[in-house]
Amino acid sequence: NAGVTQTPKFQVLKTGQSMTLQCAQDMNHNSMYWYRQDPGMGLRLIYYSASEGTTDKGEVPNGYNVSRLNKREFSLRLESAAPSQTSVYFCASGRDRVGNNEQFFGPGTRLTVL
Amino acid sequence: RKEVEQDPGPFNVPEGATVAFNCTYSNSASQSFFWYRQDCRKEPKLLMSVYSSGNEDGRFTAQLNRASQYISLLIRDSKLSDSATYLCVVNGAAGNKLTFGGGTRVLVKP
Repeated sequence: NAGVTQTPKFQVLKTGQSMTLQCAQDMNHNSMYWYRQDPGMGLRLIYYSASEGTTDKGEVPNGYNVSRLNKREFSLRLESAAPSQTSVYFCASGRDRVGNNEQFFGPGTRLTVL
Repeated sequence: RKEVEQDPGPFNVPEGATVAFNCTYSNSASQSFFWYRQDCRKEPKLLMSVYSSGNEDGRFTAQLNRASQYISLLIRDSKLSDSATYLCVVNGAAGNKLTFGGGTRVLVKP
């Protein structure tokens, strides 16, 4: 099992450019998540998908869109990148056991917006 | 007030010593609690869940104090490989969303 995979690992964008971050999991999890991690801020939830066909906003959704393509894949799109979106982006998937919903993370995408 | 707060550290720990640190959470309805470990420039990985009665996993002991709304992690016989950032993670009463603390950095030195 590959677990949670993310592409690309690194990306540099200019302000205003767009890009899509890809995420896939092979653990048959229903829930998938996108986080960003900034120094001193911890991980913040951008969007999540509790099941195939549903998506919901997290704590910091502005400037992002998501697509739950199927059960395995959950992509994050930046339509017009801004320097404030420079961050490390983690995708995660989760089991749905009540009271114990641990999550498994991908290796991250390091994004720099100039 | 942040939903989940941690002392950022670093906690400088001699090899073989014991280190303990806490995390406070603001949502009294939180039901699930976890400690994750994150190595430098890597993804977070689950270290252990935290149960109401407290639980132990090898050299690691986690405790939950619902009355005071904090969880703790204790590491005994610290190894160099324990050097990492430890993330306190809490979920709310509904849904699978998790809230992460900013992390506590631990540096174990020879």
